[in-house]
Amino acid sequence: AQKVTQAQTEISVVEKEDVTLDCVYETRDTTYYLFWYKQPPSGELVFLIRRNSFDEQNEISGRYSWNFQKSTSSFNFTITASQVVDSAVYFCALMRNSGGYQKVTFGTGTKLQVIP
Amino acid sequence: DTAVSQTPKYLVTQMGNDKSIKCEQNLGHDTMYWYKQDSKKFLKIMFSYNNKELIINETVPNRFSPKSPDKAHLNLHINSLELGDSAVYFCASSQPLAGASFGPGTRLLVL
Repeated sequence: AQKVTQAQTEISVVEKEDVTLDCVYETRDTTYYLFWYKQPPSGELVFLIRRNSFDEQNEISGRYSWNFQKSTSSFNFTITASQVVDSAVYFCALMRNSGGYQKVTFGTGTKLQVIP
Repeated sequence: DTAVSQTPKYLVTQMGNDKSIKCEQNLGHDTMYWYKQDSKKFLKIMFSYNNKELIINETVPNRFSPKSPDKAHLNLHINSLELGDSAVYFCASSQPLAGASFGPGTRLLVL
């Protein structure tokens, strides 16, 4: 069984502060993929990043960065210098391949509010 | 071009009615899903199809029946709608080395 835990239900920060969203996962698979999605108030799910289990290199994309630590089964997401437009619900997800198909399990989401 | 499309975007209906939601993807992905997002924003997988075959059927009432006429389509039919069915339903598709791409969601409200 696989599980994704996002312990932070809601976070509020003041604009320009840095914020880290935590994600801890459980899986017995050796090959898997981790994702972050953003769901703004408009409701659509926006893909942010994919990381496979063999690639522990951290990634930076503009103000976004991701820290993948296989030893602690964590895939944390940091937003630097947060902006009001970052206000959204953020989901961490785990995907496994099994017999040619994939199963994606989502965390419960972290609602981020950036206050101007 | 929209990668994963769903229709309708909004659906308001009375209890007891039967309704369908359609989903199409033009990404050439082999796997398609239906997810339900409740009022607390929890995303729960309902069904997963791979090449038109049902792979995953989570604990979903049998009033929900998915149908995949071909690899690019996965429709969801719901019989005898109940108040608790009110939610946002997302269709998605994926490929082994890609992320899951989601449709825009269908907001279902059962009165």
